[in-house]
Amino acid sequence: SQQGEEDPQALSIQEGENATMNCSYKTSINNLQWYRQNSGRGLVHLILIRSNEREKHSGRLRVTLDTSKKSSSLLITASRAADTASYFCATDATLEQMTGANSKLTFGKGITLSVRP
Amino acid sequence: GAGVSQTPSNKVTEKGKYVELRCDPISGHTALYWYRQSLGQGPEFLIYFQGTGAADDSGLPNDRFFAVRPEGSVSTLKIQRTERGDSAVYLCASSLRDRPLFFGPGTRLTVL
Repeated sequence: SQQGEEDPQALSIQEGENATMNCSYKTSINNLQWYRQNSGRGLVHLILIRSNEREKHSGRLRVTLDTSKKSSSLLITASRAADTASYFCATDATLEQMTGANSKLTFGKGITLSVRP
Repeated sequence: GAGVSQTPSNKVTEKGKYVELRCDPISGHTALYWYRQSLGQGPEFLIYFQGTGAADDSGLPNDRFFAVRPEGSVSTLKIQRTERGDSAVYLCASSLRDRPLFFGPGTRLTVL
């Protein structure tokens, strides 16, 4: 079963614009992670936010987490054509390991982002 | 190697056959994971190893699926009596404890 539900399913924007992608989940989590996938193979980890954090930045990426609403958003600023890919949120519900250990990530179905040059 | 490698990259087999998929994790990574991804879906958890032991195999769909990691490094996912519904990309990932996952490129399995 897939816990994360990303929204929208597909997003098309112009280069230079910001892209905002949302993820909702159902159960309590230890941390939430965003991954990127090109051409249906090989996911790449982008950013991890722990359940006691509300916002995190990494380069052009900004992720927020609202545990009361069980939702997260990923913002990519100043998008580039090379950002075109599928983006997945993944939740780790291993509550007894609050240091953020991964055991069983549950992925959503993903968002297809197209950035037009 | 620099990253997680998986072999073969593509595997075509006939219904009922046995297949083995291999994963070479990043050297020193204690944790190893197998996921399965169908077209248009996100990766689905299969099994997780911490060292040589399977810490969580709750994602294996049935007893036709089995995975081993005898020396705590390379892992093999074994599928017996393959069915057409087993067709998917099988992804392997490894990590250090408490760190994000590094994924391999996957093995695309097609069961005819």
